[in-house]
Amino acid sequence: ETGVTQSPTHLIKTRGQQVTLRCSSQSGHNTVSWYQQALGQGPQFIFQYYREEENGRGNFPPRFSGLQFPNYSSELNVNALELDDSALYLCASRLFGGASGYTFGSGTRLTVV
Amino acid sequence: GDSVTQMEGPVTLSEEAFLTINCTYTATGYPSLFWYVQYPGEGLQLLLKATKADDKGSNKGFEATYRKETTSFHLEKGSVQVSDSAVYFCALSGGSNYKLTFGKGTLLTVNP
Repeated sequence: ETGVTQSPTHLIKTRGQQVTLRCSSQSGHNTVSWYQQALGQGPQFIFQYYREEENGRGNFPPRFSGLQFPNYSSELNVNALELDDSALYLCASRLFGGASGYTFGSGTRLTVV
Repeated sequence: GDSVTQMEGPVTLSEEAFLTINCTYTATGYPSLFWYVQYPGEGLQLLLKATKADDKGSNKGFEATYRKETTSFHLEKGSVQVSDSAVYFCALSGGSNYKLTFGKGTLLTVNP
């Protein structure tokens, strides 16, 4: 089975720009979550999607938005980038109601300059 | 809200030493508890988990027991190896959407 893949692996953007990060879920997983991990910190929950609908959101402003597609792949969009958005963005997938837990991708390292 | 507090690092040990990384949590209801490991430049890998009180999770020589009475889930390993050097995160999952709440992580360095 394939794991969770994220693209790109690294990205540099300018403050005020917009960015789209992509994630392909593990085969058979229908739920995807996104996390932000600042340097030296634990991951923080951004939001989760199930059946293409957002079904949970952390303490992040509306300029963080997402999509889940019928094939369970996902996007994270961030508008009006700020310097503090520089972080590792992790995607995690799981089977809703399953006991196997989350599988994480290797992340996208976003640097805002 | 839910929170996880874990032992601050960094922790530096010699090979074959005993490891303990403390983790306590605050949560409503009965969360599942996890330890994840992150190697340099990589994402998170699930190390072990426990889903109810008194459960013991174990993997690759690491163990942790879900202690409801002390709201703890301490990670232990009897004999660490250089290859265990990584950042370890304690996490809990609960609520209607099963989101993960993480601690800040503990950097472990094992010297030969």
